[in-house]
Amino acid sequence: QKEVEQDPGPLSVPEGAIVSLNCTYSNSAFQYFMWYRQYSRKGPELLMYTYSSGNKEDGRFTAQVDKSSKYISLFIRDSQPSDSATYLCAQWIGFQKLVFGTGTRLLVSP
Amino acid sequence: DTAVSQTPKYLVTQMGNDKSIKCEQNLGHDTMYWYKQDSKKFLKIMFSYNNKELIINETVPNRFSPKSPDKAHLNLHINSLELGDSAVYFCASSQVGVANTGELFFGEGSRLTVL
Repeated sequence: QKEVEQDPGPLSVPEGAIVSLNCTYSNSAFQYFMWYRQYSRKGPELLMYTYSSGNKEDGRFTAQVDKSSKYISLFIRDSQPSDSATYLCAQWIGFQKLVFGTGTRLLVSP
Repeated sequence: DTAVSQTPKYLVTQMGNDKSIKCEQNLGHDTMYWYKQDSKKFLKIMFSYNNKELIINETVPNRFSPKSPDKAHLNLHINSLELGDSAVYFCASSQVGVANTGELFFGEGSRLTVL
């Protein structure tokens, strides 16, 4: 079992839709999570980070952690074609290594 | 000015050959990493170095040998290349500590194809 799991998609939505991207994690000893976005043939770039449970909002993006179910989510409001990318959730393990999920490919059509 | 730069961007080579990838960061970070991304986009950590010292070696075959001459550089040498080594290799750097977010800054990747 991978430490962080994601549905690989692709997830196809029309422009303006609300997108929900989800991950599950197995190691509950560490509660520091990150979401990265990766465009085709580029390196991943940090979108958001969040500690423990609750919500964190940044513009059209909201990151949510549900500690009880070991679930992390990223919501994108008013999705745009420029949001089309692969989204990778990640968990810091002991502040030594950042472990990534398999990534979900998102396609937003105009 | 690129923060994390890797060379070469593309490598195409035959099985059994040896190849190297170089990485340099100008962010002043003390920790550098090598990740491997397979065709399904799974990004897996291989090595990490902190101030030139190996911190993590994620059960990578010993055909892979990282080397950090100083904290701004991390190179990866691969001996006796196999078909399964075909992937995109990403270098990354971060500054780990309570005052930092721990964000990893990635290079653009080096796409290795073994024929």
